[in-house]
Amino acid sequence: DAGVTQSPTHLIKTRGQQVTLRCSPKSGHDTVSWYQQALGQGPQFIFQYYEEEERQRGNFPDRFSGHQFPNYSSELNVNALLLGDSALYLCASSLGQGQAFGSGTRLTVV
Amino acid sequence: GENVEQHPSTLSVQEGDSAVIKCTYSDSASNYFPWYKQELGKRPQLIIDIRSNVGEKKDQRIAVTLNKTAKHFSLHITETQPEDSAVYFCLLGFQKLVFGTGTRLLVSP
Repeated sequence: DAGVTQSPTHLIKTRGQQVTLRCSPKSGHDTVSWYQQALGQGPQFIFQYYEEEERQRGNFPDRFSGHQFPNYSSELNVNALLLGDSALYLCASSLGQGQAFGSGTRLTVV
Repeated sequence: GENVEQHPSTLSVQEGDSAVIKCTYSDSASNYFPWYKQELGKRPQLIIDIRSNVGEKKDQRIAVTLNKTAKHFSLHITETQPEDSAVYFCLLGFQKLVFGTGTRLLVSP
C-alpha cells in the first residue's frame, strides 16, 4: 500500500515562471491538503481539497491555486514565482482526521 | 483565526530523561489534537493523537494529555533516546489547519 507520493522531488524555477506540483494520496484517503515549509520553519497551510473542491484556505495569495481530480490526486499551481516561494511543499492526505504526509517537493526559485 | 502557541522552542535533555512539549490554542471548536515528529530532511510523521472526548492517551513512551477547559494539550516523552531527537509539531484545526511553531528536541547520550 503506497503512502502519499509527490512529484517531482526537486525543482528549480526562475522568478516569474509558473510551476505545477503533483500529489497522489494514500489509498483510501479522499482529502488532500498542501503546506509550504520554509527552511527551519513549521509547515504553513495553503489549502485543502475535498470532493474536487477547495474546502479550506490559508493565508496565501491567489498566485497559489490547486485542483483535485476524480481519483483524489491533486495539483498545486504557483504562478509568477517569487524568490520567497522557495520552500519544501508538502502534500498530506486524510480520510476524516489524521493526515499522512508525502516526502515533499523542494522548490528553488532563482 | 486559529492561534496556536507551542513551547518550548528548543529542548535539550539527557538520554533517559523525560520531555514535555505544550501547545495552547484559542479555537474551542477543535476536537482533534495530533502531534507530528519531523526528522531533518524528512516528512512529518504522526506519532500520537487525541480526540476531545478523552483526556489522556498513551503509546509506549509517548503520551498526550488534553485540557479542553484551559485549551492546551501536551506531548510527553519518557525515557528519551537519541533517536527521539527531531522537531515536534502540534497541529490544530477545525476550519483552517495550523501547525504549532515547532520544538527542536535534542537528546544527548
